[in-house]
Amino acid sequence: GQQVMQIPQYQHVQEGEDFTTYCNSSTTLSNIQWYKQRPGGHPVFLIQLVKSGEVKKQKRLTFQFGEAKKNSSLHITATQTTDVGTYFCAGLDNYGQNFVFGPGTRLSVLP
Amino acid sequence: AAGVIQSPRHLIKEKRETATLKCYPIPRHDTVYWYQQGPGQDPQFLISFYEKMQSDKGSIPDRFSAQQFSDYHSELNMSSLELGDSALYFCASSLWTSGNSEQFFGPGTRLTVL
Repeated sequence: GQQVMQIPQYQHVQEGEDFTTYCNSSTTLSNIQWYKQRPGGHPVFLIQLVKSGEVKKQKRLTFQFGEAKKNSSLHITATQTTDVGTYFCAGLDNYGQNFVFGPGTRLSVLP
Repeated sequence: AAGVIQSPRHLIKEKRETATLKCYPIPRHDTVYWYQQGPGQDPQFLISFYEKMQSDKGSIPDRFSAQQFSDYHSELNMSSLELGDSALYFCASSLWTSGNSEQFFGPGTRLTVL
């Protein structure tokens, strides 16, 4: 079945440093979504990428979908303490209607 | 704006008991998803419904069942509870037919099995 992997599992950065998490799928995806979950909270939708090679920006966040639609990345510029949380990618393959979540990258930001 | 409502927020049960979790999706959303999230784990897809019909099934144990009712609320029924069922259970809803499948997650039900 479809597998979604994310690296790194954990990332500790100093406030102001950049952060990147990578998502890789074992199968080609029709689209990919990114979610953020704060400690004790629920996943909150950040963005959806659909097109091959697509790049989207949200303020300090940059999302990219690979040309082969099997990988994606989330880059945060100049992290802030409010960026703390776990970032999940969730991939939808071409056959199903359910999203497969990656294991997440837990980001901690030291002030 | 209305969000996804889940009840109860916390539930404590004994082994071998049953539990029913409820989910009220955002009005006019046509798809409901159930996820199980263990401590430090990613959300594991259990089951989904599209327009009240089961649309996809994930890693849902045979001891669990779910349904969506005519008013679009959904219930996850869990029987013969095991210690390993202790987890956060999220319900999410989306408007699939809009072409944007953004999932809106509820606050979750924390189930503890003793």
